[in-house]
Amino acid sequence: EAQLVESGGGLVQPGGSLKLSCAASGFTFSGAAMHWVRQASGKGLEWVGRIRTKPNSYATAYAASVKGRFTISRDDSKDTAYLQMSSLKIEDTAVYYCTTTSGDYYVGFDYWGQGTLVTVSS
Amino acid sequence: DIVMTQSPLSLPVTPGEPASISCRSSQSLLHRDGHNYLDWYLQKPGQSPQVLIYMGSNRASGVPDRFSGSGSGTDFTLKISRVEAEDVGVYYCMQVLQTERTFGQGTKVEIK
Repeated sequence: EAQLVESGGGLVQPGGSLKLSCAASGFTFSGAAMHWVRQASGKGLEWVGRIRTKPNSYATAYAASVKGRFTISRDDSKDTAYLQMSSLKIEDTAVYYCTTTSGDYYVGFDYWGQGTLVTVSS
Repeated sequence: DIVMTQSPLSLPVTPGEPASISCRSSQSLLHRDGHNYLDWYLQKPGQSPQVLIYMGSNRASGVPDRFSGSGSGTDFTLKISRVEAEDVGVYYCMQVLQTERTFGQGTKVEIK
């Protein structure tokens, strides 16, 4: 069974940095684009960014709200994706999910992690 | 960016009755390949989101057939033919046409 497990969340001061991990299992990680989605407490879902696969040059894309501050990477040898967050703001406080689509064609984001909470506060 | 607008934002439902949620996009989501690049997700209380419908009208694996997606271009609808108690939660539409994905605000479905 496919599984995504996020880790690395915690409390960080404004202006600080934090790196989240998303460990994958049960599917061919190297063939899957990986996305990050966040959700502030009591609010809706916000797409953060994604990283494509090696054949697609590991291309990344980001939401305007995080561009220049967040960096997505991946290590296919470890079946893990990362979200490096820098210059953190209070408004970055949220649960961060990693997600992807299974299979060779798009079927929606059918794999989601349980989320990891990032709190930006002084 | 494509702006997604859902209505209503709150939807009290009666078990056994039908329900529908509307989602409108600020730009057409109809691709030249003929597909509408829109998904529907349900986030049940305390859980991660789960996909219900992808590419406008395709029911995801394991999703009950009481859920259906329709629409094209800028206007889309998620319908539940007969609501069950387990369907409570927040429903989101999401456009997947542009690289920068955007979600609707969410529609909270609760039992009357």
